Amino acid sequence: DVKVTQSSRYLVKRTGEKVFLECVQDMDHENMFWYRQDPGLGLRLIYFSYDVKMKEKGDIPEGYSVSREKKERFSLILESASTNQTSMYLCASTTPGRGGYTFGSGTRLTVV
Amino acid sequence: GENVEQHPSTLSVQEGDSAVIKCTYSDSASNYFPWYKQELGKRPQLIIDIRSNVGEKKDQRIAVTLNKTAKHFSLHITETQPEDSAVYFCAASRNDYKLSFGAGTTVTVRA
Repeated sequence: DVKVTQSSRYLVKRTGEKVFLECVQDMDHENMFWYRQDPGLGLRLIYFSYDVKMKEKGDIPEGYSVSREKKERFSLILESASTNQTSMYLCASTTPGRGGYTFGSGTRLTVV
Repeated sequence: GENVEQHPSTLSVQEGDSAVIKCTYSDSASNYFPWYKQELGKRPQLIIDIRSNVGEKKDQRIAVTLNKTAKHFSLHITETQPEDSAVYFCAASRNDYKLSFGAGTTVTVRA
Protein backbone atom coordinates (compact mmCIF):
# COMPACT_ATOMS: atom_id res chain seq x y z
CA ASP A 1 0.00 0.00 0.00
CA VAL A 2 2.56 2.56 -1.17
CA LYS A 3 1.17 6.05 -0.52
CA VAL A 4 4.11 8.31 -1.41
CA THR A 5 5.77 7.44 -4.68
CA GLN A 6 9.04 8.80 -5.99
CA SER A 7 9.47 8.37 -9.71
CA SER A 8 13.02 7.01 -9.70
CA ARG A 9 14.89 4.81 -7.23
CA TYR A 10 18.31 5.45 -8.78
CA LEU A 11 19.39 8.25 -11.07
CA VAL A 12 22.74 9.14 -12.64
CA LYS A 13 23.13 12.59 -14.17
CA ARG A 14 25.96 14.65 -15.56
CA THR A 15 27.25 17.90 -14.08
CA GLY A 16 25.29 20.85 -15.43
CA GLU A 17 22.18 18.87 -16.35
CA LYS A 18 18.74 20.00 -15.20
CA VAL A 19 17.28 17.26 -13.04
CA PHE A 20 13.67 16.66 -12.07
CA LEU A 21 12.69 14.50 -9.11
CA GLU A 22 9.01 13.71 -8.88
CA CYS A 23 6.92 12.82 -5.87
CA VAL A 24 3.25 11.85 -5.83
CA GLN A 25 1.04 11.11 -2.81
CA ASP A 26 -2.42 9.64 -2.83
CA MET A 27 -3.48 10.57 0.70
CA ASP A 28 -4.83 14.06 -0.05
CA HIS A 29 -2.17 15.57 2.22
CA GLU A 30 -1.75 19.34 2.23
CA ASN A 31 1.90 19.41 3.23
CA MET A 32 4.76 18.00 1.22
CA PHE A 33 8.50 18.10 1.81
CA TRP A 34 11.81 17.40 0.15
CA TYR A 35 14.76 16.30 2.30
CA ARG A 36 18.21 15.12 1.41
CA GLN A 37 19.87 12.42 3.49
CA ASP A 38 23.63 12.25 3.87
CA PRO A 39 25.64 10.04 6.26
CA GLY A 40 26.33 11.78 9.54
CA LEU A 41 24.09 14.73 8.66
CA GLY A 42 20.66 13.17 9.01
CA LEU A 43 17.78 14.55 7.00
CA ARG A 44 18.03 18.17 5.95
CA LEU A 45 15.02 20.09 4.66
CA ILE A 46 15.39 21.54 1.16
CA TYR A 47 11.90 22.91 0.42
CA PHE A 48 8.37 22.36 1.58
CA SER A 49 4.88 23.23 0.45
CA TYR A 50 1.70 23.60 2.49
CA ASP A 51 -0.66 24.16 -0.41
CA VAL A 52 -0.88 24.08 -4.17
CA LYS A 53 1.42 26.66 -5.74
CA MET A 54 2.82 27.55 -2.31
CA LYS A 55 6.44 26.84 -1.39
CA GLU A 56 8.85 27.75 1.33
CA LYS A 57 12.59 27.39 1.63
CA GLY A 58 13.97 24.92 4.08
CA ASP A 59 17.44 24.87 5.56
CA ILE A 60 19.43 24.12 2.39
CA PRO A 61 17.54 25.50 -0.65
CA GLU A 62 20.56 26.70 -2.61
CA GLY A 63 20.79 25.06 -6.02
CA TYR A 64 17.24 23.71 -5.86
CA SER A 65 13.77 24.82 -6.78
CA VAL A 66 10.36 23.18 -6.49
CA SER A 67 7.02 23.08 -8.19
CA ARG A 68 3.59 22.19 -6.86
CA GLU A 69 0.95 22.61 -9.54
CA LYS A 70 -1.34 19.90 -8.16
CA LYS A 71 -2.03 18.88 -4.58
CA GLU A 72 -0.74 15.36 -5.03
CA ARG A 73 2.51 16.18 -6.82
CA PHE A 74 5.62 17.94 -5.56
CA SER A 75 8.64 18.21 -7.84
CA LEU A 76 12.22 18.99 -6.90
CA ILE A 77 14.37 20.62 -9.57
CA LEU A 78 18.13 20.82 -9.68
CA GLU A 79 18.69 23.70 -12.06
CA SER A 80 22.29 22.76 -12.87
CA ALA A 81 23.37 19.56 -11.15
CA SER A 82 26.69 19.55 -9.35
CA THR A 83 28.66 16.71 -7.77
CA ASN A 84 27.93 18.00 -4.26
CA GLN A 85 24.25 17.28 -4.93
CA THR A 86 24.97 13.57 -5.05
CA SER A 87 22.74 12.28 -2.27
CA MET A 88 19.63 10.38 -1.26
CA TYR A 89 16.53 12.51 -1.75
CA LEU A 90 13.44 11.76 0.31
CA CYS A 91 9.97 13.12 -0.28
CA ALA A 92 7.41 13.16 2.53
CA SER A 93 3.86 14.29 3.11
CA THR A 94 1.52 14.94 6.00
CA THR A 95 -1.62 16.79 6.90
CA PRO A 96 -2.09 19.37 9.69
CA GLY A 97 -2.76 17.73 13.04
CA ARG A 98 -1.57 14.33 11.92
CA GLY A 99 1.99 14.80 13.08
CA GLY A 100 4.15 12.15 11.52
CA TYR A 101 5.30 12.11 7.93
CA THR A 102 4.82 9.40 5.37
CA PHE A 103 8.04 9.09 3.40
CA GLY A 104 8.65 7.96 -0.13
CA SER A 105 11.23 5.26 -0.75
CA GLY A 106 13.84 7.78 -1.86
CA THR A 107 15.82 8.60 -4.99
CA ARG A 108 19.54 8.01 -4.90
CA LEU A 109 21.00 10.62 -7.22
CA THR A 110 24.57 10.45 -8.44
CA VAL A 111 25.98 13.44 -10.31
CA VAL A 112 29.10 12.63 -12.33
CA GLY B 1 15.61 27.66 13.09
CA GLU B 2 15.42 24.55 15.20
CA ASN B 3 18.61 22.62 15.88
CA VAL B 4 18.38 19.00 16.99
CA GLU B 5 21.41 17.13 18.30
CA GLN B 6 21.37 13.37 18.67
CA HIS B 7 23.68 11.04 20.59
CA PRO B 8 25.26 8.60 20.26
CA SER B 9 25.91 8.29 16.54
CA THR B 10 26.40 4.54 16.84
CA LEU B 11 25.20 2.09 19.48
CA SER B 12 25.95 -1.60 19.78
CA VAL B 13 23.97 -3.65 22.29
CA GLN B 14 23.67 -7.30 23.21
CA GLU B 15 20.37 -8.89 22.33
CA GLY B 16 18.02 -8.58 25.27
CA ASP B 17 19.70 -5.47 26.67
CA SER B 18 18.24 -1.96 26.57
CA ALA B 19 19.18 0.86 24.19
CA VAL B 20 18.85 4.57 24.88
CA ILE B 21 19.18 7.39 22.37
CA LYS B 22 19.15 11.01 23.49
CA CYS B 23 18.28 14.21 21.64
CA THR B 24 18.36 17.87 22.55
CA TYR B 25 16.57 20.70 20.79
CA SER B 26 17.09 24.44 20.73
CA ASP B 27 13.65 25.96 20.09
CA SER B 28 11.72 26.17 23.36
CA ALA B 29 8.51 26.55 21.32
CA SER B 30 8.87 23.06 19.80
CA ASN B 31 5.93 20.92 20.82
CA TYR B 32 6.07 17.75 18.72
CA PHE B 33 8.80 15.10 18.92
CA PRO B 34 8.62 12.02 16.69
CA TRP B 35 11.07 9.16 16.30
CA TYR B 36 11.71 7.38 13.02
CA LYS B 37 13.30 4.03 12.29
CA GLN B 38 15.04 3.42 8.97
CA GLU B 39 16.05 -0.11 8.11
CA LEU B 40 18.75 -0.64 5.53
CA GLY B 41 17.54 0.34 2.07
CA LYS B 42 14.09 1.33 3.29
CA ARG B 43 12.21 4.53 3.96
CA PRO B 44 12.04 6.07 7.45
CA GLN B 45 9.00 4.91 9.40
CA LEU B 46 7.40 6.65 12.36
CA ILE B 47 7.67 4.41 15.44
CA ILE B 48 6.54 6.67 18.26
CA ASP B 49 5.92 10.35 18.94
CA ILE B 50 5.24 12.59 21.90
CA ARG B 51 3.76 16.03 22.32
CA SER B 52 4.88 18.64 24.80
CA ASN B 53 1.89 18.21 27.10
CA VAL B 54 3.03 14.67 27.92
CA GLY B 55 6.17 13.60 29.77
CA GLU B 56 6.34 9.97 28.74
CA LYS B 57 4.77 7.61 26.23
CA LYS B 58 5.16 3.87 25.86
CA ASP B 59 4.34 1.40 23.11
CA GLN B 60 5.30 -2.19 23.90
CA ARG B 61 9.12 -2.30 24.03
CA ILE B 62 9.70 1.32 23.07
CA ALA B 63 9.19 4.43 25.15
CA VAL B 64 9.93 8.11 24.79
CA THR B 65 10.51 10.62 27.56
CA LEU B 66 10.47 14.39 27.30
CA ASN B 67 12.02 16.99 29.58
CA LYS B 68 10.80 20.38 28.39
CA THR B 69 12.80 22.31 30.96
CA ALA B 70 16.07 20.80 29.82
CA LYS B 71 14.91 20.62 26.20
CA HIS B 72 15.79 17.00 25.71
CA PHE B 73 13.96 13.81 24.86
CA SER B 74 15.01 10.20 24.72
CA LEU B 75 14.07 6.92 23.07
CA HIS B 76 14.27 3.76 25.15
CA ILE B 77 14.16 0.29 23.61
CA THR B 78 13.93 -2.61 26.05
CA GLU B 79 14.64 -6.29 25.43
CA THR B 80 16.33 -5.51 22.13
CA GLN B 81 15.99 -7.97 19.27
CA PRO B 82 17.93 -8.34 15.99
CA GLU B 83 15.07 -6.66 14.09
CA ASP B 84 15.69 -3.52 16.14
CA SER B 85 18.95 -3.01 14.20
CA ALA B 86 18.42 0.15 12.13
CA VAL B 87 19.12 3.86 12.00
CA TYR B 88 16.96 5.88 14.37
CA PHE B 89 16.21 9.57 13.89
CA CYS B 90 14.72 11.97 16.38
CA ALA B 91 12.97 15.13 15.20
CA ALA B 92 11.30 18.23 16.59
CA SER B 93 8.89 20.87 15.37
CA ARG B 94 6.85 23.75 16.74
CA ASN B 95 4.02 23.55 14.28
CA ASP B 96 3.44 19.85 13.87
CA TYR B 97 4.64 19.54 10.32
CA LYS B 98 8.01 21.11 9.51
CA LEU B 99 10.36 18.69 11.20
CA SER B 100 14.02 19.24 12.03
CA PHE B 101 15.88 15.94 12.32
CA GLY B 102 18.85 14.78 14.32
CA ALA B 103 21.83 13.21 12.56
CA GLY B 104 20.73 9.67 13.35
CA THR B 105 21.90 6.76 15.51
CA THR B 106 22.93 3.46 13.98
CA VAL B 107 21.83 0.71 16.36
CA THR B 108 23.31 -2.76 16.04
CA VAL B 109 21.88 -5.57 18.12
CA ARG B 110 24.41 -8.39 18.61
CA ALA B 111 23.01 -11.90 18.79
